[in-house]
Amino acid sequence: DVKVTQSSRYLVKRTGEKVFLECVQDMDHENMFWYRQDPGLGLRLIYFSYDVKMKEKGDIPEGYSVSREKKERFSLILESASTNQTSMYLCASSSLALNYGYTFGSGTRLTVV
Amino acid sequence: AQKVTQAQTEISVVEKEDVTLDCVYETRDTTYYLFWYKQPPSGELVFLIRRNSFDEQNEISGRYSWNFQKSTSSFNFTITASQVVDSAVYFCALRDSGGYQKVTFGTGTKLQVIP
Repeated sequence: DVKVTQSSRYLVKRTGEKVFLECVQDMDHENMFWYRQDPGLGLRLIYFSYDVKMKEKGDIPEGYSVSREKKERFSLILESASTNQTSMYLCASSSLALNYGYTFGSGTRLTVV
Repeated sequence: AQKVTQAQTEISVVEKEDVTLDCVYETRDTTYYLFWYKQPPSGELVFLIRRNSFDEQNEISGRYSWNFQKSTSSFNFTITASQVVDSAVYFCALRDSGGYQKVTFGTGTKLQVIP
């Protein structure tokens, strides 16, 4: 069964901490994405990557960075967590060749206190 | 810029009723793709359907059906004879034909099916 795996389901961090959210896919997909989901706002794209070491800003990149050192892994980094980054974070991947929709991970609910 | 509007924030229906979830989109592209995803309480988004902009045929899959109308830029989703297991948040989404496959999501419609 193909999967996108996010390392943590729930995470609680303190303001100012550096936070790493990890995402791994086993489908050899080229594209990977990080979204955050907030009530009433839907899913908003933070960053995406179309290849190893390549990254592009999405709609709300401020306060975040990403890393893609290997094709299967895409990390989201909160350099200095703030309370307004409390949210559900969703990772997704897609294949150029298959041209289907995204495959999503189960999400990480991050609370910054 | 692309935009997806789901005007219905929450809908409640009684089990076995039919329900339609509305989706209106905006794009300047002539080639694009439309999607519906389901997010059950467990949190993981599940892909339901993809539609190409050049294929306006309606589709039916069991109790689910989709009505794509380019003239009104709408891609509505109907659940027939709703069941409690249909309770979820449903997202409509739009993707352009670009190589990055970026997707713009609507704000979602929360459907509650009451037994």
